[in-house]
Amino acid sequence: DAGITQSPRYKITETGRQVTLMCHQTWSHSYMFWYRQDLGHGLRLIYYSAAADITDKGEVPDGYVVSRSKTENFPLTLESATRSQTSVYFCAGSTGRTYEQYFGPGTRLTVT
Amino acid sequence: TQLLEQSPQFLSIQEGENLTVYCNSSSVFSSLQWYRQEPGEGPVLLVTVVTGGEVKKLKRLTFQFGDARKDSSLHITAAQPGDTGLYLCAGAKSDMRFGAGTRLTVKP
Repeated sequence: DAGITQSPRYKITETGRQVTLMCHQTWSHSYMFWYRQDLGHGLRLIYYSAAADITDKGEVPDGYVVSRSKTENFPLTLESATRSQTSVYFCAGSTGRTYEQYFGPGTRLTVT
Repeated sequence: TQLLEQSPQFLSIQEGENLTVYCNSSSVFSSLQWYRQEPGEGPVLLVTVVTGGEVKKLKRLTFQFGDARKDSSLHITAAQPGDTGLYLCAGAKSDMRFGAGTRLTVKP
């Protein structure tokens, strides 16, 4: 039972390129979240989704786009990557907006 | 400015010692969660506390929610190297807000 899977696990890209981080759940959690984790800042919410085709901004949404056409997938796209978007990105699923969250293993993204 | 302040930021102790880490805020939360994160992995939930003053025990870990539901503490008794990791607290309001974490190292 994989739960939440993320791909790729590691990614190096150049400034200005578009990059998509994938998130897939094998459960049926209605809520899915994208966070970034940076030293000294902890986990900050980028976007979340309450159900298929329903998404909303979190604390730090600028420069990111999400979609959720299927309940099990929640990709995160950086439209034009910047160095400030170098971070570790975590996808999570939950049965509610403030309930226990189940995290994926993370994607370490480096923008050069 | 973090909504949730965790202290200390780093803690290095010897196996067998006791320790307490703190999670403080000026905001009231409907619940508070503690997670542990190991290197290269996502956070994993340890406990959720809901009621002001609530105390929950998980083996050698004791979690307490402040009476006013603004703060929480995690006490570990007789720490072991397997307790090493990043401990995150998360408070629930309209959404979840995470603290920056306490990075604990337990040396054998």
